Amino acid sequence: NAGVTQTPKFRVLKTGQSMTLLCAQDMNHEYMYWYRQDPGMGLRLIHYSVGEGTTAKGEVPDGYNVSRLKKQNFLLGLESAAPSQTSVYFCASSHPTRGNTIYFGEGSWLTVV
Amino acid sequence: AQKVTQAQTEISVVEKEDVTLDCVYETRDTTYYLFWYKQPPSGELVFLIRRNSFDEQNEISGRYSWNFQKSTSSFNFTITASQVVDSAVYFCALSPHRRGGSEKLVFGKGTKLTVNP
Repeated sequence: NAGVTQTPKFRVLKTGQSMTLLCAQDMNHEYMYWYRQDPGMGLRLIHYSVGEGTTAKGEVPDGYNVSRLKKQNFLLGLESAAPSQTSVYFCASSHPTRGNTIYFGEGSWLTVV
Repeated sequence: AQKVTQAQTEISVVEKEDVTLDCVYETRDTTYYLFWYKQPPSGELVFLIRRNSFDEQNEISGRYSWNFQKSTSSFNFTITASQVVDSAVYFCALSPHRRGGSEKLVFGKGTKLTVNP
């Protein structure tokens, strides 16, 4: 079972560069999420999607964009990376009627220099 | 507003000791879900348990047990006879009990457990 798969797992970016993190889930979940995890800050929701073609802002959306063109995929974009975006990014998914349990991918380590 | 507090930032025990990780929550919702996740040194986040607010029965799964007490707004996690493989950061989390309430999921800051051989 693949579950939630994120790519790439590691990436180093220069300030100002752009990149896209890819997330795929094979559990037929309606909801998908992007979180970031920083030391001392815990997990914070960046953006989420409640279905194909829909996205919404979470707690820390600035500097990020997302797209959900297909139900199984959720893309997180950084248009102009900043050192403050150095973090570990987690994609996750859930089904709205199955107890709100969120299942996470393995994480993507992003460093912006 | 929802809030989850894990007062223990770090805990260190010796293998085979029992250890309890505390979790206290605040919510105005009358029904809600509580969760525990494990993040081992490899970094992934692993779902351990979900608890419904209207089910206060304690749960045991092998060496793991969870004590849910609505009266004290606590959902504590106990590992019996700890092992080195239990070393991880453990997160407690809370979400409303409604369709799609998962986008309101709130995490505690985590407790780092180190089990020494």
